[in-house]
Amino acid sequence: SQQGEEDPQALSIQEGENATMNCSYKTSINNLQWYRQNSGRGLVHLILIRSNEREKHSGRLRVTLDTSKKSSSLLITASRAADTASYFCATDFTGGGNKLTFGTGTQLKVEL
Amino acid sequence: GAVVSQHPSWVICKSGTSVKIECRSLDFQATTMFWYRQFPKQSLMLMATSNEGSKATYEQGVEKDKFLINHASLTLSTLTVTSAHPEDSSFYICSATRTVNYGYTFGSGTRLTVV
Repeated sequence: SQQGEEDPQALSIQEGENATMNCSYKTSINNLQWYRQNSGRGLVHLILIRSNEREKHSGRLRVTLDTSKKSSSLLITASRAADTASYFCATDFTGGGNKLTFGTGTQLKVEL
Repeated sequence: GAVVSQHPSWVICKSGTSVKIECRSLDFQATTMFWYRQFPKQSLMLMATSNEGSKATYEQGVEKDKFLINHASLTLSTLTVTSAHPEDSSFYICSATRTVNYGYTFGSGTRLTVV
């Protein structure tokens, strides 16, 4: 299976704290994307990082990519209760025909 | 921005009946659409990839005769779950892309419950 692993599986923090989620994958990729999913809803695209990029920012989000370790991290700074959701990394792996393969996900809970 | 509409958002059907789920790209032409399945508290698993005008490509282990996918136009793909059984109860999500450079847009999902 190409599926990536994410850790932690669940993360509970206080509002205002930073949240870091990690994603590891198995094969060479074209790009890696992070998505957010509120309970029982569709996915919202957060950020895409290409294989030749090492870091990317978008608002309170910071994504890093280490292709030598086949890993990525998503940092959410100054978290808010509204950030409570599941977060998934997804890889567009080389030779995969543009299919996205999703990681196992991290359930983030931000408490007031 | 790109919008994908998925309908219905939820459906309950009797065992043995068929259910059709629609996925429409509202403001762009989707050359490729993907169908995923998600069990509670689990990740999305790709079921099949469909390109407009051609047969869908199914992932290993997905029964193509049970999950019929049609992508007859650049804005519409349908997934029909035939002879549904309780084990088919799941959350089904589609996504569409124009080209990879434009990214992927996901529908809001369909929760199927087979009783």
